[in-house]
This record gives sequence, structure tokens and C-alpha cells, in this order.
Amino acid sequence: NAGVTQTPKFRVLKTGQSMTLLCAQDMNHEYMYWYRQDPGMGLRLIHYSVGEGTTAKGEVPDGYNVSRLKKQNFLLGLESAAPSQTSVYFCASCMPVRDPYGYTFGSGTRLTVV
Amino acid sequence: AQKVTQAQTEISVVEKEDVTLDCVYETRDTTYYLFWYKQPPSGELVFLIRRNSFDEQNEISGRYSWNFQKSTSSFNFTITASQVVDSAVYFCALGDQGGSEKLVFGKGTKLTVNP
Repeated sequence: NAGVTQTPKFRVLKTGQSMTLLCAQDMNHEYMYWYRQDPGMGLRLIHYSVGEGTTAKGEVPDGYNVSRLKKQNFLLGLESAAPSQTSVYFCASCMPVRDPYGYTFGSGTRLTVV
Repeated sequence: AQKVTQAQTEISVVEKEDVTLDCVYETRDTTYYLFWYKQPPSGELVFLIRRNSFDEQNEISGRYSWNFQKSTSSFNFTITASQVVDSAVYFCALGDQGGSEKLVFGKGTKLTVNP
């Protein structure tokens, strides 16, 4: 099993550019999440989804949009990138109840906005 | 609101020393989950332990042990006889009980084990 796959692994954007980060999981997990990691800040939740077609805001949602059109994919979009969005982005998925908080994390996407 | 505090930003030890990483949490929930993750220099997140609030027994796994004390809202992590490969950032996390299984992370403790 591939688990959780994030694409791309690295990206450099110019301020104002847009991009989409893709998270794909092959475990039939119901819940999916996008976290960002910044030095000295731990991981903070951006957006999450508790099922296909649903999304919700996390702790730091501003500047990001998400979509979950298919159960296996969770997309994170930056419409107009800013230097403050330079970060490492982690996607995760889990299957509630059956395995509480049994997260599977992707390997991360390192994004630099210049 | 859920909160996790890891007061130690960085710790440096010499190989074979024991080291304890502190984690203090805040929650109003009576049932909750606590976690420790390891992030080695390669960057991936490695799951170490998940503990339900009903289970206050201490856990030992090889050189790793965890001390869960509800009375002080702490879930501390001890590495015995540390090794260079233990060098990493360690995160403590608390499960949000709102039904979405979100995790609230502490800011992490960077552990450096010197040979």
C-alpha cells in the first residue's frame, strides 16, 4: 500500500502565484487533514474533511481553500501565495471509530514562496 | 480550548544519558487521547504512542517509556540510555473530542544526542 501520497514534494512559488497541493490515500479512510509546520510552532491544522464532499476550517485556514470531490483525494489550494505561506505541509488521513486518531501522515510538501 | 505545552524547546544530551521530554495538556473533556510523534531530520512524522485518558498505566517500549498523570495533566516521555539515532524533534499531541478527530500539537522539543 502506498498510504498517503503528497504531490509535489518540493515547490518554489513567486508571490501572487497559485498552486494546488494534492493528497491521495488508498486506505479508504473517511477523514483527511491538512496541517502546516513552521519552525517553533508545531503542526497547525489548516482544513479538514470528514467525508467526501465535506470540508471544514481548522486553526489557520486563511489564504487556503480545499476540496474533497473524491473520497481518496484532498486538495489544498493557494490562490495567491504569500511569503507567510512558506512552510512544510502535511496531509493525513484516518478512519474514525475503528482506529481512533489512527493517523497516516504523508511525507510532506516543502513550499517556499519568494 | 485544547492546548498542549512542551516547555522544553531544545535539549542536548550526551549518548547514554537518560532524558525526559515534558508535555502538559489542557482539556475540558473527560475522555481524550494523547500522542507522541517523532520527526527525525529526514522530516517524516513517526507515530510513537497513543494513550486513552482512561488508561493511566505507564508504558514501556524498549528504551522508551511514558508517564501519564491525569492529576497534573502531564504525559511525559523518557528515553533511557539515549542514542544518536534518537536525535529528532518530538511532538506531543492531544486529540480533539469534537468528532472530527483533529489533533492539537505542542510546539515540539528538539532533542540532540551527541556522541
